Amino acid sequence: GNSVTQMEGPVTLSEEAFLTINCTYTATGYPSLFWYVQYPGEGLQLLLKATKADDKGSNKGFEATYRKETTSFHLEKGSVQVSDSAVYFCALMALTGGGNKLTFGTGTQLKVEL
Amino acid sequence: DAGVTQSPTHLIKTRGQQVTLRCSPKSGHDTVSWYQQALGQGPQFIFQYYEEEERQRGNFPDRFSGHQFPNYSSELNVNALLLGDSALYLCASSLETTGFLGEQYFGPGTRLTVT
Repeated sequence: GNSVTQMEGPVTLSEEAFLTINCTYTATGYPSLFWYVQYPGEGLQLLLKATKADDKGSNKGFEATYRKETTSFHLEKGSVQVSDSAVYFCALMALTGGGNKLTFGTGTQLKVEL
Repeated sequence: DAGVTQSPTHLIKTRGQQVTLRCSPKSGHDTVSWYQQALGQGPQFIFQYYEEEERQRGNFPDRFSGHQFPNYSSELNVNALLLGDSALYLCASSLETTGFLGEQYFGPGTRLTVT
């Protein structure tokens, strides 16, 4: 079946540091890949997505590239801010069983300190 | 344009009871999915509704059931509640025609506590 593996957290960084959160996946076919962010006490917000190999998704300074050869979709940001503190989820979507469900990783908590 | 809304925000129930959670999709969306997010975990897919029918289901027992109405809103019902059902329940909506290229928009969730 489909699965997503994320690096475990929490990840603690100083403001303006470089961020990488690793994500690898296992899926049949060619899934779409997503990064969602969850702020404390809130639901999930889509951060970025990529729907085919070599696509780069980007939003709010965050980037991730769909690497089919390494089945990866690592999240990066060049300079994090305190306001980026949240839990980040990598997810994939594949057309299976007549529907299009999302399969999530376990999430990586990011803490950014001054 | 209202996004996905869910009610209630919080709920406390006793073991063995039944609960109904509600979701209104984003305007224009016709597909609703439900997810369970246990504390410290990623969301787990429960089921998806389209055209008022359940068309895909995750690994959840029959105690979990749902419904979709003609206006695309949806309900999640859980019978015979267990302590392990305590979680954040998330509703997500999407547009069928976008398939797996489109995104799912999430509501704020309903926090269910079973005592």
